[in-house]
Amino acid sequence: AQSVTQLGSHVSVSEGALVLLRCNYSSSVPPYLFWYVQYPNQGLQLLLKYTSAATLVKGINGFEAEFKKSETSFHLTKPSAHMSDAAEYFCAVSDQNDKLIFGTGTRLQVFP
Amino acid sequence: DTAVSQTPKYLVTQMGNDKSIKCEQNLGHDTMYWYKQDSKKFLKIMFSYNNKELIINETVPNRFSPKSPDKAHLNLHINSLELGDSAVYFCASSQEGQLQYSPLHFGNGTRLTVT
Repeated sequence: AQSVTQLGSHVSVSEGALVLLRCNYSSSVPPYLFWYVQYPNQGLQLLLKYTSAATLVKGINGFEAEFKKSETSFHLTKPSAHMSDAAEYFCAVSDQNDKLIFGTGTRLQVFP
Repeated sequence: DTAVSQTPKYLVTQMGNDKSIKCEQNLGHDTMYWYKQDSKKFLKIMFSYNNKELIINETVPNRFSPKSPDKAHLNLHINSLELGDSAVYFCASSQEGQLQYSPLHFGNGTRLTVT
């Protein structure tokens, strides 16, 4: 069965600093991996996805993630944090039944 | 235009009541879902429907009954509400069997509070 683990329920960075949100996956088949963002009182919005093409995936708002099979990781990064990046971020894996399984989320806080 | 819309946005009710949440999508997708997000932000799938047929039914109490009158609508009816049902319920849609090409589109959620 597929699963994802997000290390760190809270991450705090200063504006302009590097953002790194960690996600490790477990999958018996080649996975499809996703990062979603949830702003307060809103639904989830897709940031980026990995579907077995390029291992470095670029998404919206300057975010990117790298699929590393050897480390079973799909960490999300952004070179320079902006105040508007403050939100909850979810890593997810798609199973064979086309069902998304989410991690427990990481809250990103950005300080001025 | 809102792609996935759900109503109401907030729902406060007492234990034992029956309530419904409505969801509509205008994306032309074949598959619709209900997810539950608990107080710790954990998201778990409840149901999915493809073209009005139930595809995924997780271990959800049978007090929860989804209804899909057509492929653009998926409503959630909850009988005999309990305190533990308090959560945010998200509707979502995608193209069938193609999450890698057509990722989930979420509504803005319905915050259900049972008192």
